[in-house]
Amino acid sequence: DQQVKQNSPSLSVQEGRISILNCDYTNSMFDYFLWYKKYPAEGPTFLISISSIKDKNEDGRFTVFLNKSAKHLSLHIVPSQPGDSAVYFCAASHGSSNTGKLIFGQGTTLQVKP
Amino acid sequence: DTAVSQTPKYLVTQMGNDKSIKCEQNLGHDTMYWYKQDSKKFLKIMFSYNNKELIINETVPNRFSPKSPDKAHLNLHINSLELGDSAVYFCASSHNAGREKLFFGSGTQLSVL
Repeated sequence: DQQVKQNSPSLSVQEGRISILNCDYTNSMFDYFLWYKKYPAEGPTFLISISSIKDKNEDGRFTVFLNKSAKHLSLHIVPSQPGDSAVYFCAASHGSSNTGKLIFGQGTTLQVKP
Repeated sequence: DTAVSQTPKYLVTQMGNDKSIKCEQNLGHDTMYWYKQDSKKFLKIMFSYNNKELIINETVPNRFSPKSPDKAHLNLHINSLELGDSAVYFCASSHNAGREKLFFGSGTQLSVL
């Protein structure tokens, strides 16, 4: 039972354009969502997060949107740069668990072409 | 200065052997984790320790035994390795066990032959 799903295994965009990565979840108890970026042979690194009390959080070129009714979140990267080419993981947790446990999606590989 | 470091980076071994993976964090965090990334690329939690106390044990075979000698270290020992144990194992830490972001190590690629 995969509670966090990233249905697009890969995405290719041109440098300078917008990249939109999508994530769906099934557990309505999730109240904190994160995006991680992973380069080959490295561990995932934190990118941006959003609490369920918000519907948008922005950090430089990265914006995360949360649609609670649709149980959907997305990561927008504008403008996309070749260095953004990586695997992006969506993750979710519910704060009441008090365990720090994150449930991850299976990742989307982003390729930004020069 | 690496925040979360794990060793070894690569581990190739025969079925039936026992092996250990070590993890150390220098962030002063209270909580540490082991995650497994399988062949389908899913990252799944295995264990979590908070202040050296086990708080998550996710239906992992008891051949896997985590040990936390102190808050800065969380090691993973695996007995009687099986082919299906081949995966990438990631150590991670967070400030505490609440709503926190995780900091990951670079992973240990385990190959069981």
